[in-house]
Amino acid sequence: GAVVSQHPSWVICKSGTSVKIECRSLDFQATTMFWYRQFPKQSLMLMATSNEGSKATYEQGVEKDKFLINHASLTLSTLTVTSAHPEDSSFYICSATRRGRTTDTQYFGPGTRLTVL
Amino acid sequence: DAKTTQPPSMDCAEGRAANLPCNHSTISGNEYVYWYRQIHSQGPQYIIHGLKNNETNEMASLIITEDRKSSTLILPHATLRDTAVYYCIVRALYNFNKFYFGSGTKLNVKP
Repeated sequence: GAVVSQHPSWVICKSGTSVKIECRSLDFQATTMFWYRQFPKQSLMLMATSNEGSKATYEQGVEKDKFLINHASLTLSTLTVTSAHPEDSSFYICSATRRGRTTDTQYFGPGTRLTVL
Repeated sequence: DAKTTQPPSMDCAEGRAANLPCNHSTISGNEYVYWYRQIHSQGPQYIIHGLKNNETNEMASLIITEDRKSSTLILPHATLRDTAVYYCIVRALYNFNKFYFGSGTKLNVKP
């Protein structure tokens, strides 16, 4: 149990376009979902925390107008990279914690590789 | 959240135990120690977590020192598939479950 999926697994887009990445909890309801970014040979960097039905909270230095997060249901969160540029090329990973379990661990998706040309 | 320090890389022979250390000297009483691993180009995989007692599951054992300032993840019989980056994370119980990843340890399991 506790499976998280992401779609797409990889995407290539042109500079200036917007890209939407979906994160779904397949077999549980997620109170909170998280979005991370990982550049090559670096660790994961937390971008934002997303709670169902409320606005996402962003980590310091992350532009909320550029990385739009929507958590419309207890099983789905989306990250939209607006007006993408080559420097936004990265590996984006989401994770989720199960509803009602405050001490629960995070379950991670497989990641989405974004390449902006 | 407490900062963690891990060696950047370690080697281990296949079939032998891999012992991965983590220093978290500023950990506070309500902070858990979590271990994840990330195989290249995949999402992190949960391994184990603990508060103050040693823990064991089907993947690994977690040894936490009595003062809780450090811990060791033990993979009892490492295989080539255990080659990955291992992350030690300290998380406060009620900090919205946020994780802040450190740089991790690249474990190289060699035949």
